[in-house]
Amino acid sequence: SQQGEEDPQALSIQEGENATMNCSYKTSINNLQWYRQNSGRGLVHLILIRSNEREKHSGRLRVTLDTSKKSSSLLITASRAADTASYFCATAQSSGAGSYQLTFGKGTKLSVIP
Amino acid sequence: DTGVSQDPRHKITKRGQNVTFRCDPISEHNRLYWYRQTLGQGPEFLTYFQNEAQLEKSRLLSDRFSAERPKGSFSTLEIQRTEQGDSAMYLCASSSVNRGHTEAFFGQGTRLTVV
Repeated sequence: SQQGEEDPQALSIQEGENATMNCSYKTSINNLQWYRQNSGRGLVHLILIRSNEREKHSGRLRVTLDTSKKSSSLLITASRAADTASYFCATAQSSGAGSYQLTFGKGTKLSVIP
Repeated sequence: DTGVSQDPRHKITKRGQNVTFRCDPISEHNRLYWYRQTLGQGPEFLTYFQNEAQLEKSRLLSDRFSAERPKGSFSTLEIQRTEQGDSAMYLCASSSVNRGHTEAFFGQGTRLTVV
């Protein structure tokens, strides 16, 4: 089963604009990770945020985590056409067998129009 | 290249045939995962190895699926008597643990089409 739910399912913006994607999850987590996937390719790891962290930055990426609401957001600033891809959030559970695996959402398909 | 490598990239097979995929993880990673991804969905966990030991298997992994990781290096995923519903992208990932947190690195995947 898929724990994460990304919102929106699809997003289309102009180059230079900011893109915000949201993710909600259901169980207690150890960390939350964001991945990017270009069409028909593998996943590229973008950023990991631990459950005791609230915000993290990496280049043009900003991730927030609100464990009380079980939600996270990914902000891509000053978007480029090359950012066009599907973006997935994935959670690692805090304990038990599920702590070994990542549980992915269905993804947000981002289109950046030049 | 120090990334995760998967072979083949594409496989077309007839229903009922057996197929085998290979994954070469990042050399210093002792954890290896297999995921399956169908169109429009996120990856779903299939199985996990720590070194050569298979520690966890999803209920998605039916009896027709078997995975091995001899000597704790590369891994193979075999599907016997393939069905059309097995058509998907099969992704391999490997990881190390950084202060208790696992960051997984994925290969390019093997796209299986069962006709």
